[in-house]
Amino acid sequence: DIQMTQSPPSQSASVGDRVTITCRASQSVDTHLNWYQQKPGKPPKIVISSASNLQSGVPSRFRGSGFGTDFTLTISGLQAEDFATYYCQQGYSMPYTFGPGSKVDV
Amino acid sequence: QVQLQQWGAALVKPWETLSLRCSFSGGSVSDDCWTWIRQTPGKGLEWIGQVRHSGISDYNPSLRGRATISTSRNEFSLKVTSVTAADTAVYYCARSLTKLTWFDPWGQGTLVTVSS
Repeated sequence: DIQMTQSPPSQSASVGDRVTITCRASQSVDTHLNWYQQKPGKPPKIVISSASNLQSGVPSRFRGSGFGTDFTLTISGLQAEDFATYYCQQGYSMPYTFGPGSKVDV
Repeated sequence: QVQLQQWGAALVKPWETLSLRCSFSGGSVSDDCWTWIRQTPGKGLEWIGQVRHSGISDYNPSLRGRATISTSRNEFSLKVTSVTAADTAVYYCARSLTKLTWFDPWGQGTLVTVSS
């Protein structure tokens, strides 16, 4: 299985901040890397697919980058609705696997 | 726009079978993969498996052959046999596509507790 790690596990931020979350895969996943946002009591919501493709309806302050084993999710100008936990997920090979999550809180 | 609605037993006794269903509406294409994912505080998000539009299923070996995912009309189901407390989780249904391996949309989630 491809193991996914994320850092930091949590971070405190304020509205307007720039936030960066990194995700690392135990082997190359090419660009088959997706990012999800999850709020308490809700299912995850896709924000970035294929490493850098912004999903429809997701604000442009979200940006994904990376290739191979190292990926980054950046939120520029954090808004109140962005406080959540973010997960990366590799879609390169089954079993598909998720990172442990990175919580962005106040 | 595909929408998913899931349901099933919230409490299952140890060594019995967990059973969940998920209905989909809003369209279906030949590349659909109907998926089950579970989430626990300890293990995080875990992909359980999927059934493709063709009816072929794929599973996570971590379930050690205990999971079965099948589809019928506009529904797909999950059965997990011989459950233990370790199977206690929030279970989600979701959709992906054969070559677009991300999950969207998701069902609302069902907390399944394994307890006598």
